[in-house]
Amino acid sequence: GAVVSQHPSWVICKSGTSVKIECRSLDFQATTMFWYRQFPKQSLMLMATSNEGSKATYEQGVEKDKFLINHASLTLSTLTVTSAHPEDSSFYICSAAERISRNEQFFGPGTRLTVL
Amino acid sequence: DQQVKQNSPSLSVQEGRISILNCDYTNSMFDYFLWYKKYPAEGPTFLISISSIKDKNEDGRFTVFLNKSAKHLSLHIVPSQPGDSAVYFCAASAKGNTPLVFGKGTRLSVIA
Repeated sequence: GAVVSQHPSWVICKSGTSVKIECRSLDFQATTMFWYRQFPKQSLMLMATSNEGSKATYEQGVEKDKFLINHASLTLSTLTVTSAHPEDSSFYICSAAERISRNEQFFGPGTRLTVL
Repeated sequence: DQQVKQNSPSLSVQEGRISILNCDYTNSMFDYFLWYKKYPAEGPTFLISISSIKDKNEDGRFTVFLNKSAKHLSLHIVPSQPGDSAVYFCAASAKGNTPLVFGKGTRLSVIA
């Protein structure tokens, strides 16, 4: 199957700093990438959908100025958590789709963010 | 308001027996359902899916059953193997390729 990588796999930062998470599709071109967040014992919650070359579409309740998404190429999307706070500590997972099909969405391994 | 519910947070099954994971949904607009498997510190991987025009889809040891009138689906794994131990997420989407909505997951432990 298609491979999606995320970097870093884990990060610890101080409150108030910004953290950038990269999501790459390694062997296919991803026209659409999705960013999810998962809190402990909770479901994967979609944060935003990004299409290459256009602005991301954010889900209700997700602050677009706090979670900056850039999908500059067909193989790379980045999520920047700006001015991180302890409540932003979570597991962030991206997924990528070569084309919009019901099950052709490949997930990255996730990034665990801990904000002190 | 959770549109996709997995009411059992965990399930333990003996190796060789059948594992049945359940999922309920509330949104009648959902017409495509998927199961994902997730190991610790890894992203979910697609397992099996079913369209609302079917009531059963089988792939090897994995079978998904859909009961539209009850808004219920289940994943059957038989025979269960220790390597099946993971968290299983049920997900659903509505027509128009809307974003997937996930349940909270069920942690399956297959005991040798």
